[in-house]
Amino acid sequence: RKEVEQDPGPFNVPEGATVAFNCTYSNSASQSFFWYRQDCRKEPKLLMSVYSSGNEDGRFTAQLNRASQYISLLIRDSKLSDSATYLCVVSPLRYIFGTGTRLKVLA
Amino acid sequence: GAGVSQSPSNKVTEKGKDVELRCDPISGHTALYWYRQSLGQGLEFLIYFQGNSAPDKSGLPSDRFSAERTGGSVSTLTIQRTQQEDSAVYLCASSLLGTGWDTGELFFGEGSRLTVL
Repeated sequence: RKEVEQDPGPFNVPEGATVAFNCTYSNSASQSFFWYRQDCRKEPKLLMSVYSSGNEDGRFTAQLNRASQYISLLIRDSKLSDSATYLCVVSPLRYIFGTGTRLKVLA
Repeated sequence: GAGVSQSPSNKVTEKGKDVELRCDPISGHTALYWYRQSLGQGLEFLIYFQGNSAPDKSGLPSDRFSAERTGGSVSTLTIQRTQQEDSAVYLCASSLLGTGWDTGELFFGEGSRLTVL
């Protein structure tokens, strides 16, 4: 089993839609969780950290479920500019990246 | 510059040759990471340097791969006797503090694209 697993997608959604991604992790000792965004042929950039109580940043909401060992990312009111690959990152001893979920927002 | 700098940005080499990839992290960042990303794939961890501690080399795929970090700053990733399966984008990232600190943010360079013919 991979340490961090994501549905690769692609998720094709219309503008304005709400879309959610999940990510599961295998190491129960993991302490830090993040979502990164990677545009085509670009380097990954931090989107948001994921806190135990859940956190929100504008249209983006991240949740952590330690009991089931998954994190989620919810994007509301999708914009064309949200089209990218979203990488789940889990840190037990080092940063482990998932393979990413590709999102395409359609006009 | 203010960001992580990597060189070369593109490298084409012949199978069997050695290559060196360089990473210049953000000044003051104590932690430095190397990842590689094959086409359409996720990031594969290679090696992690944290301050003066022994590096975490657990992700290096074979003994043809090695890395060093001189003076706690610049790092060089060396691949000896390159193979076609080594073709990938090699990404370097730095962070202010290392794993275990809730900083979260890895700052990535633009990567070195390696093609082995």
